[in-house]
Amino acid sequence: DVKVTQSSRYLVKRTGEKVFLECVQDMDHENMFWYRQDPGLGLRLIYFSYDVKMKEKGDIPEGYSVSREKKERFSLILESASTNQTSMYLCATLVWGSGNTIYFGEGSWLTVV
Amino acid sequence: AQTVTQSQPEMSVQEAETVTLSCTYDTSESDYYLFWYKQPPSRQMILVIRQEAYKQQNATENRFSVNFQKAAKSFSLKISDSQLGDAAMYFCAYSFVNDMRFGAGTRLTVKP
Repeated sequence: DVKVTQSSRYLVKRTGEKVFLECVQDMDHENMFWYRQDPGLGLRLIYFSYDVKMKEKGDIPEGYSVSREKKERFSLILESASTNQTSMYLCATLVWGSGNTIYFGEGSWLTVV
Repeated sequence: AQTVTQSQPEMSVQEAETVTLSCTYDTSESDYYLFWYKQPPSRQMILVIRQEAYKQQNATENRFSVNFQKAAKSFSLKISDSQLGDAAMYFCAYSFVNDMRFGAGTRLTVKP
């Protein structure tokens, strides 16, 4: 089974803080994603990465950056957290073959106060 | 960007009955994948079923089946013999190469 681990399930941060959300996958998968989930909006793609040090913007990259220094780890960074970034963040990895399926971590609930 | 539309924000079904969740999508590609994911209150996204666009046969996984209409760009999920554990948010998703898009979700309630 593919395992995607998000290190923090629940975080509370203050406005203006720099926030790091970490994600690790246990296989040598190339593609990793960060989504944001909000009620009524589904999952919206923030950034994705198809290899080490490679990244592509998704639909809502503003206010976020990412880092992929090692293949198994993909970090989402909020440079200066704002209250409108309070949300559920989901990390995922894409497994080629067997239907090109995406597998998710458990999610990180971020509250910015 | 490709779009995925789930027109039913909420659905309700009686236990043991059948329910169908709707999904439409927009794409100009011919070979892609479609998925239904379930998100229970624990928030862990779970793959329910997947369909490869080049396969005409509808996918089936136990009580879950799809009605894939490629020309109409429609991909509905049928849940038969609904169980209380089926209560969750259901997301329809489209995948092509590195791109994966999700609908807004349908919240399914199962009444005992």
